[in-house]
Amino acid sequence: KNEVEQSPQNLTAQEGEFITINCSYSVGISALHWLQQHPGGGIVSLFMLSSGKKKHGRLIATINIQEKHSSLHITASHPRDSAVYICAVITSGSRLTFGEGTQLTVNP
Amino acid sequence: DGGITQSPKYLFRKEGQNVTLSCEQNLNHDAMYWYRQDPGQGLRLIYYSQIVNDFQKGDIAEGYSVSREKKESFPLTVTSAQKNPTAFYLCASTPTTGSYGYTFGSGTRLTVV
Repeated sequence: KNEVEQSPQNLTAQEGEFITINCSYSVGISALHWLQQHPGGGIVSLFMLSSGKKKHGRLIATINIQEKHSSLHITASHPRDSAVYICAVITSGSRLTFGEGTQLTVNP
Repeated sequence: DGGITQSPKYLFRKEGQNVTLSCEQNLNHDAMYWYRQDPGQGLRLIYYSQIVNDFQKGDIAEGYSVSREKKESFPLTVTSAQKNPTAFYLCASTPTTGSYGYTFGSGTRLTVV
């Protein structure tokens, strides 16, 4: 069993829909990243959080340390949001452990 | 703007040849990392360096080598000993080893034929 599990693996939505991607982890962490990977492969960090909730534009990330669970929400989804979203947790020594990613496709 | 530059974006090599992937950063970060991504799998750590002239093996270091002669540069060599070298390779950095703020490069897709 992976230390970081994401669901769903694939997600297809219509433009405008509210989207939720989930991340569960089984290890103690210092912080959690939500990352976005576009088709070209480059990765951008969307959020880094260790408690509570963060919001940036249409993106919202939450984390529940007790339940070892985090969610990434996208409101009013748009085709340009189509990408792979990756959850990564920071464990000892600031090492990252990655989930397998969620492929999101938003259709117009 | 500061960032990480990986080159080339796509690389093709014949089986049995060594190949070196470039990673350069102008962020003045101390720590640098190399990851490998395979389809359907999470990124896995190959090597990391906390400071110049020092580096440590990650989870899948076999068949790879690195150097850290300059703070800005952390090249990765994929040797002929790596059994399945075809993959996407990603470089990252953090200000210090204990920092949580990662910056990622755009990656290099290596295909060995």
